[in-house]
Amino acid sequence: GENVEQHPSTLSVQEGDSAVIKCTYSDSASNYFPWYKQELGKRPQLIIDIRSNVGEKKDQRIAVTLNKTAKHFSLHITETQPEDSAVYFCAARGLTGGGNKLTFGTGTQLKVEL
Amino acid sequence: NAGVTQTPKFQVLKTGQSMTLQCAQDMNHEYMSWYRQDPGMGLRLIHYSVGAGITDQGEVPNGYNVSRSTTEDFPLRLLSAAPSQTSVYFCASSATGTDNFGNTIYFGEGSWLTVV
Repeated sequence: GENVEQHPSTLSVQEGDSAVIKCTYSDSASNYFPWYKQELGKRPQLIIDIRSNVGEKKDQRIAVTLNKTAKHFSLHITETQPEDSAVYFCAARGLTGGGNKLTFGTGTQLKVEL
Repeated sequence: NAGVTQTPKFQVLKTGQSMTLQCAQDMNHEYMSWYRQDPGMGLRLIHYSVGAGITDQGEVPNGYNVSRSTTEDFPLRLLSAAPSQTSVYFCASSATGTDNFGNTIYFGEGSWLTVV
């Protein structure tokens, strides 16, 4: 099955700096890669996603890039703010077994310091 | 439109007890799933369903049963609770979509389960 690795596990940045979180996946047939943000005690919420037919996608301060050849994708947050502090999860949707199954990375704890 | 609703939010069980976590969605989504979240391990898929009457195992199915008698409901049953099942459980749903790409998965608020 699909295997997703996520790095780093913790990331501390100064307010206003950029943050980058990287993920690799194993199944070359995976075609959908969402990123979720989870605040303490809350549910994961989608912040951005990218399909395999696109190399980059932006939404204001957030961008995701996908390199299908290398099987890795990254989340970029620019001009970080304290409210960006949370755990971020990457995920990949494989095509085996049917449905909309997501395999998640182990998460990155992002801390934005004042 | 309530989205994905899970109950209960908190539960303490004794080892060997059984219980059911309820999940309902009002978005007419075909796909529903259950994940468990443990520290340092992300979210792991327990069971999923692509439509009423159809269920399948995910990554960590042992000790859990599911059924999908209606489109709206997808309960998760713990057959004989064990301390290893102490976790946060999330129900999720999504539309199947009209193309071959994935669709946004919406999560419920989570159920905190402690087995003592």
